[in-house]
Amino acid sequence: NAGVTQTPKFRVLKTGQSMTLLCAQDMNHEYMYWYRQDPGMGLRLIHYSVGEGTTAKGEVPDGYNVSRLKKQNFLLGLESAAPSQTSVYFCASRKTASNQPQHFGDGTRLSIL
Amino acid sequence: QKEVEQDPGPLSVPEGAIVSLNCTYSNSAFQYFMWYRQYSRKGPELLMYTYSSGNKEDGRFTAQVDKSSKYISLFIRDSQPSDSATYLCAMRLTGGGNKLTFGTGTQLKVEL
Repeated sequence: NAGVTQTPKFRVLKTGQSMTLLCAQDMNHEYMYWYRQDPGMGLRLIHYSVGEGTTAKGEVPDGYNVSRLKKQNFLLGLESAAPSQTSVYFCASRKTASNQPQHFGDGTRLSIL
Repeated sequence: QKEVEQDPGPLSVPEGAIVSLNCTYSNSAFQYFMWYRQYSRKGPELLMYTYSSGNKEDGRFTAQVDKSSKYISLFIRDSQPSDSATYLCAMRLTGGGNKLTFGTGTQLKVEL
């Protein structure tokens, strides 16, 4: 039972490069989320999706784009990476019912040089 | 001022001790309260999930919510070295199903 799977696990980019982080869940969850985790800042919501084909901005959306073309996948894109985007990125998903918790993947460690 | 405050630690205790982890918050509209455990280089794992005020127990873990004081706690009894991790509190509004507000996490080390 894989749950939430994130790829890649690690990546080093140069400033200005682009890349896409992939999140896949096999629990048939409607809601999916992208967070970043930085020391002293906690987890902060970047973007989220309430269903296939829908996305919305979270707390810190600038510099990121997302797409949810399939229910099981949620992609996070960096069009022009900046050093301030060095972080650990976590994807989460949950069922629709309001009392359901979020389940997290193991993260992608991204360094921008 | 952050919406959710959590002492970052580190907190070091001997094996078998009772551990108390706490968070305070400022938004009285929070209704759902969670505790996540995060091991190094892993994602957060849900430990406890409570709605509104009161206590909830699950094995060695007890979660308490005091909405009048805007204060939540996680107690770990008979702590084990395997409990060494970072503990994150999280909370959200009723109907605010899309946004969790997290504390910064408390790093716990249980020593033999």
